[in-house]
Amino acid sequence: QVQLVQSGAEVKKPGASVKVSCRTSGYSFTTYGIAWVRQAPGQGLEWMGWISGYNGNTDYAQNLQGRVTMTTDTSTRTGYMELRSLRTDDTAVYYCARLYCSSVTCYFHLDYWGQGTLVTVSS
Amino acid sequence: EIVLTQSPGTLSLSPGERATLSCRASQSVRSTSLAWYQQQLGQAPRLLIYGASSRATGIPDRFSGSGSGTDFTLTISRLEPEDFAVYYCQHYGGSPFTFGPGTKVDIK
Repeated sequence: QVQLVQSGAEVKKPGASVKVSCRTSGYSFTTYGIAWVRQAPGQGLEWMGWISGYNGNTDYAQNLQGRVTMTTDTSTRTGYMELRSLRTDDTAVYYCARLYCSSVTCYFHLDYWGQGTLVTVSS
Repeated sequence: EIVLTQSPGTLSLSPGERATLSCRASQSVRSTSLAWYQQQLGQAPRLLIYGASSRATGIPDRFSGSGSGTDFTLTISRLEPEDFAVYYCQHYGGSPFTFGPGTKVDIK
């Protein structure tokens, strides 16, 4: 069965970096991409961007450009999201999710999600 | 950037009642590239509807989606106890793939 399993909770100080992992199983990794979505406490969902499992191409939300990097390791079927220069308002649950994206076409609805990783930024 | 607005913010209903949730886009959404997600408290979102009207795998047929252009609707024909949750719409017709602010369906 399809599974996305994320790394554990993190506590960081302002200005630091965090790297969250998303280990996948149960499907063809290179036929899908991984999206990252975050949710601040008590707030809605915020699209962060996505990375293709096929060719590693990325597309980031404009408000995170320059601070976020998404990568994949095809050998371990794992996606990574690194966020730098952390601020207190980056405190959120970070989710990875799967989207279909082959060499031919992409469908960007998110059909499977990880369990979420709480990142707390506090001095 | 397409901005999505959802209404109402909160919908208070009883089990067995019909729920109608609205999602409006600031500009036309390309090729009915709209999805609906359900989020229970403390859980990850779950895909309900994609392509505006296609049910995701395993989603009961009491959930249905409709609409095109700028106006979309999620209907739950008869609310079950497990349907009380927050519902988000999301467009994916062009980057960035933004989400609406959500509609909370709670028990009256």
